[in-house]
Parts: sequence; C-alpha cells; structure tokens
Amino acid sequence: DTGVSQDPRHKITKRGQNVTFRCDPISEHNRLYWYRQTLGQGPEFLTYFQNEAQLEKSRLLSDRFSAERPKGSFSTLEIQRTEQGDSAMYLCATPIGDGMFFGSGTQLSVL
Amino acid sequence: QKEVEQNSGPLSVPEGAIASLNCTYSDRGSQSFFWYRQYSGKSPELIMSIYSNGDKEDGRFTAQLNKASQYVSLLIRDSQPSDSATYLCAVVPASGGSYIPTFGRGTSLIVHP
Repeated sequence: DTGVSQDPRHKITKRGQNVTFRCDPISEHNRLYWYRQTLGQGPEFLTYFQNEAQLEKSRLLSDRFSAERPKGSFSTLEIQRTEQGDSAMYLCATPIGDGMFFGSGTQLSVL
Repeated sequence: QKEVEQNSGPLSVPEGAIASLNCTYSDRGSQSFFWYRQYSGKSPELIMSIYSNGDKEDGRFTAQLNKASQYVSLLIRDSQPSDSATYLCAVVPASGGSYIPTFGRGTSLIVHP
C-alpha cells in the first residue's frame, strides 16, 4: 500500500512523440520530487515542488521536459519530442521524515 | 567527481554472514545520510537514516557515519537471501539551501544459500 501512486506503470512510445506521466500522493505533502533512474544507476534528481511552486530544476531537465503541480496535490511530468535517451524509470517521491517515499514509477521505453 | 560514490559490486556473501556496504560523499557539509534498498524492477525503499557520527542500529541493520572521512556504511548481520537487492546511499548536500537527496549508483548485494 504505497503512499504515492504513479500512472501509467509502463509507457512505450515512438521517438518524437509526447508523453505525460502523473503522480498522486495519497496524503498531502508540501514537497514532491521527480527523479529519473536508468539501468545500473541511482535515481537522478529532475525537479521538485513546494506546494504549487516548482523550486528547483536539474540541468538534466531540458526544455523538452515540463512539470506542473497545479493545485499542490498531484503532479504531471511531460516530455515533448521524446528521444531514445529518455528511456528510463521516472520516479515520483514525497518526504517521510527526512527520507523519501517513492512511488512505483513509470517505465518509459522510447523506440 | 560524482557527489556520492558507491562500488557497483556485485558483493556476494553467504547466508548468515555480515554484508558490508560502503559509500563516500564529496560535500563535507552534508548533514543527512540514508540507505535505501531496491529490489529488481521495484522502486527504492528507505531502510535507514543517520545524522551523527557513530553507529545506528535497527534490527539486523547498522549504519555507520564518519564525517571526518566522509563515508557512510551499512552493515547487514545474519544476511538472508531475501536481502539480495541493490543498496543505494543517499546524501543531502549542504550547498544550495534546497533539500535534495543525491543518490549513489548503488551496490548490488547477492546473498547465496
């Protein structure tokens, strides 16, 4: 019973298409984080929100990536004009104590 | 130089042995340190946090922190095959003022019967 729901679990798309992922924390959290993880690597920070405000973005987040958290609850991450290098697990996380609780992630495959 | 370094392994230990996992970090001012476990195909789950120099024990797990040497380690006593997973070290750097955990690449642990 996770505290963060992510949808979809898997997404296969063709290069050049746009994709959008959704993250729904079960309980309210001020902070919400997006990470990306590729095979054999640890999660890499992409961006985080404090309520509706996007406070920081990694340099990994090119202008093809955009994230929103319109009402301070759920969040979306959109990737425009996908590239094969975007293939990864996209993880959403909220704080538990000082640590992080991760959702199940969205596995993106760009063909 | 990556901010958080871990040996990717795999580290192979027999069932019942002590598994020792190590992590070094570059930001000397870091204050918060975490260990996560990640099973294949699953998301990371928090298993330990440590903030002060010394040891912190939780069941079969002991986290050790040495800020002067900038390393943090995780000991797993009486290792079980179910402990086979990738163990991720995470550090919150002091720089920048934002609370953003930085992860190492993880160490793969294999506990064989």
